[in-house]
Amino acid sequence: RKEVEQDPGPFNVPEGATVAFNCTYSNSASQSFFWYRQDCRKEPKLLMSVYSSGNEDGRFTAQLNRASQYISLLIRDSKLSDSATYLCVVNDGSSGSARQLTFGSGTQLTVLP
Amino acid sequence: NAGVTQTPKFRVLKTGQSMTLLCAQDMNHEYMYWYRQDPGMGLRLIHYSVGEGTTAKGEVPDGYNVSRLKKQNFLLGLESAAPSQTSVYFCASTTGTTTDTQYFGPGTRLTVL
Repeated sequence: RKEVEQDPGPFNVPEGATVAFNCTYSNSASQSFFWYRQDCRKEPKLLMSVYSSGNEDGRFTAQLNRASQYISLLIRDSKLSDSATYLCVVNDGSSGSARQLTFGSGTQLTVLP
Repeated sequence: NAGVTQTPKFRVLKTGQSMTLLCAQDMNHEYMYWYRQDPGMGLRLIHYSVGEGTTAKGEVPDGYNVSRLKKQNFLLGLESAAPSQTSVYFCASTTGTTTDTQYFGPGTRLTVL
């Protein structure tokens, strides 16, 4: 079983649509959670951290359910520029782990005009 | 600030050849990482470093060596390249706290024939 699992997609949605991505992680001791965005043939960049209480950044909302070991990302009013691969990322943060991140394989989103 | 830079951007090797990938960061980060990214598999950690003069193995270290002689540089070496090492290689750095963002370089696309 992969440590971080995501639906690979692709998700093809029209402009203005709302789309949600889900992610599950296997390590119950995980402490920090993130969504990264990766454009085609580019490096990953942090989109947002995910906090236990849920957090919002403009059109993006992230939620964490520790009991179910589940993370979600909601994108409202999708823009063409949102087309990218979204990576679910978990940092175990345990002693001696040297801040290692475990990456999901990514969910590909294409927003259509 | 240049952030994280990687050289070269592209390289084609023949099986058995050696090469060194250079990663440099100007953010005074303590922690540096080398990942490889293959289709459908997400990013996998090869080696990492928690400070100048220290290195450690990640998830997929075989066939690679690293050195961190200076805080700002992290070198990844392939002593005898194999076709299985064809991949995109990303370097990243972070200050090291649990919730810190990892900043990625633009990547090196390596093909081994």
